[in-house]
Amino acid sequence: DQQVKQNSPSLSVQEGRISILNCDYTNSMFDYFLWYKKYPAEGPTFLISISSIKDKNEDGRFTVFLNKSAKHLSLHIVPSQPGDSAVYFCAASDTSGTYKYIFGTGTRLKVLA
Amino acid sequence: DVKVTQSSRYLVKRTGEKVFLECVQDMDHENMFWYRQDPGLGLRLIYFSYDVKMKEKGDIPEGYSVSREKKERFSLILESASTNQTSMYLCASHRHSNQPQHFGDGTRLSIL
Repeated sequence: DQQVKQNSPSLSVQEGRISILNCDYTNSMFDYFLWYKKYPAEGPTFLISISSIKDKNEDGRFTVFLNKSAKHLSLHIVPSQPGDSAVYFCAASDTSGTYKYIFGTGTRLKVLA
Repeated sequence: DVKVTQSSRYLVKRTGEKVFLECVQDMDHENMFWYRQDPGLGLRLIYFSYDVKMKEKGDIPEGYSVSREKKERFSLILESASTNQTSMYLCASHRHSNQPQHFGDGTRLSIL
């Protein structure tokens, strides 16, 4: 049973446009959410996080939105750049429980020049 | 900057061998994790540790064990390697569950 789902395995976007990556979760106890970026042959790199007390968090070109009622979060990248081409993973955690993150299966983003 | 170092980037072993993957972090983090990453399956947690000599099973612990004798070092052991353990193995650490985990660069392990 997959508690965190990324339903789009891949996404292509033109350089300069907005990239929107989506993630759905099922466990209402999750209260901390993160996005990671992963290049081939490297470990995931932390991008941005959001606590369930917020509905939006922004860091430069990256914004994460959280819709708790829909159990949905999204990552917006504006403007998209070719260097953003990577696999993006969302992750969720119940901070009152164990230290575990549950990861989605990833979305491969390709930004076309 | 947090540094998580995995001892090998690439490793090739034979079926039945005992395999050790080492991970060291330099930020005095209490919590350390071992994941494997496979295409279409994302990152799956094998084991984690929240203190020295403490360990907990993750979602896919079968065929693996771990050791945490010192705070900075967390080892993953494949007791008798099998071909279905060919994968990318990732180590991570963090101080608290409401802080990001930091990952090493991974070990690409091939079992022949």
